[in-house]
Amino acid sequence: RKEVEQDPGPFNVPEGATVAFNCTYSNSASQSFFWYRQDCRKEPKLLMSVYSSGNEDGRFTAQLNRASQYISLLIRDSKLSDSATYLCVVKLTGGGNKLTFGTGTQLKVEL
Amino acid sequence: DGGITQSPKYLFRKEGQNVTLSCEQNLNHDAMYWYRQDPGQGLRLIYYSQIVNDFQKGDIAEGYSVSREKKESFPLTVTSAQKNPTAFYLCASSIWGQGSSYEQYFGPGTRLTVT
Repeated sequence: RKEVEQDPGPFNVPEGATVAFNCTYSNSASQSFFWYRQDCRKEPKLLMSVYSSGNEDGRFTAQLNRASQYISLLIRDSKLSDSATYLCVVKLTGGGNKLTFGTGTQLKVEL
Repeated sequence: DGGITQSPKYLFRKEGQNVTLSCEQNLNHDAMYWYRQDPGQGLRLIYYSQIVNDFQKGDIAEGYSVSREKKESFPLTVTSAQKNPTAFYLCASSIWGQGSSYEQYFGPGTRLTVT
């Protein structure tokens, strides 16, 4: 079983739609969680951290369910510019700053 | 501007040759990392370094070597022992600290093709 699993997609949605991605992680000792965004043939960039109480940043909402070991990302009112691959990233407790990356979920927002 | 630079953006080599990828950062970060990314796979950690003159193997270190002689620089050598060297190589840096999570900043990457 992969340490971090994501549905690769692609998710094709019309502009203005709400779309949600899930990610599951296998190690219950995971401490910190993030969503990174990666545009085609570019480097990943931090989109948002995921906190236990859930957190929101504009149109983006991230949630964590430790009991079920999954993380979600919700994008409201999607824009063409949201088209990218979204990487779920997990850090283990005591692992310094070593991160484990999921394979990513590809989102395509269309007119 | 502060950031991470990697050069070159595209690199082509013949099989059997060693090749060194450069990574420089001016963010004053202690920690630096090397990842490779293959189609359909997540980023995989090759090597990382917490401080100057120290580095640790990641999950897929075989066939690679690194050095950390300066805080700003963390070059990666892909040796001829690496069986499948063609990939997208990403360098990153961050603050280092136990018990905390710090954002990793990535360079633009080097696409290495070995034929």
